Amino acid sequence: GENVEQHPSTLSVQEGDSAVIKCTYSDSASNYFPWYKQELGKRPQLIIDIRSNVGEKKDQRIAVTLNKTAKHFSLHITETQPEDSAVYFCAASNTNSGYSTLTFGKGTMLLVSP
Amino acid sequence: GAVVSQHPSWVICKSGTSVKIECRSLDFQATTMFWYRQFPKQSLMLMATSNEGSKATYEQGVEKDKFLINHASLTLSTLTVTSAHPEDSSFYICSARDGTVATNEKLFFGSGTQLSVL
Repeated sequence: GENVEQHPSTLSVQEGDSAVIKCTYSDSASNYFPWYKQELGKRPQLIIDIRSNVGEKKDQRIAVTLNKTAKHFSLHITETQPEDSAVYFCAASNTNSGYSTLTFGKGTMLLVSP
Repeated sequence: GAVVSQHPSWVICKSGTSVKIECRSLDFQATTMFWYRQFPKQSLMLMATSNEGSKATYEQGVEKDKFLINHASLTLSTLTVTSAHPEDSSFYICSARDGTVATNEKLFFGSGTQLSVL
């Protein structure tokens, strides 16, 4: 099955800096890669996603890049703010395989200091 | 986006009792729902996939007789933790896809249920 590795496990940045979280996946058939943000005790919220036919996607301060050849994808947050502090999860799935279960990375705890 | 409602948000029970958790899609039909378990500071571990009108598919290592899943309608799936023990204490969270949109891969999560078994 799919295996998703996520790094780093924790990331501390100063407000205004950029943050980058990286994930690799093992199944070359995976074609959908969402990113979720989870605040303590809350539900994961989808913040951005990318499909395998696209190399990069941007939404305001958040961007995701995908390298299918290397089987890795990254989340980029620019101009970080304290409210960006949360745990971020990457995930991968093969939407052609029926009900397309998501395999999650282990998460990255992002701390943005004022 | 789509809304998934999960109840209760927290529950405390005695060892040996059963606990039912409900997951509802409020504004869309969810032919498939997923149940996850999350330990503190850890990732979401898929427990089972709940398919409307059929038996759930359980991940390896998850006891189907202990974690009973029912998906009787297009908007409701339930997870019952039977004969709960302290090691079952965890954060349980459901998610759902909009089954009416064939190309919609997006998963929306419920708010989670914190189960504490004494």
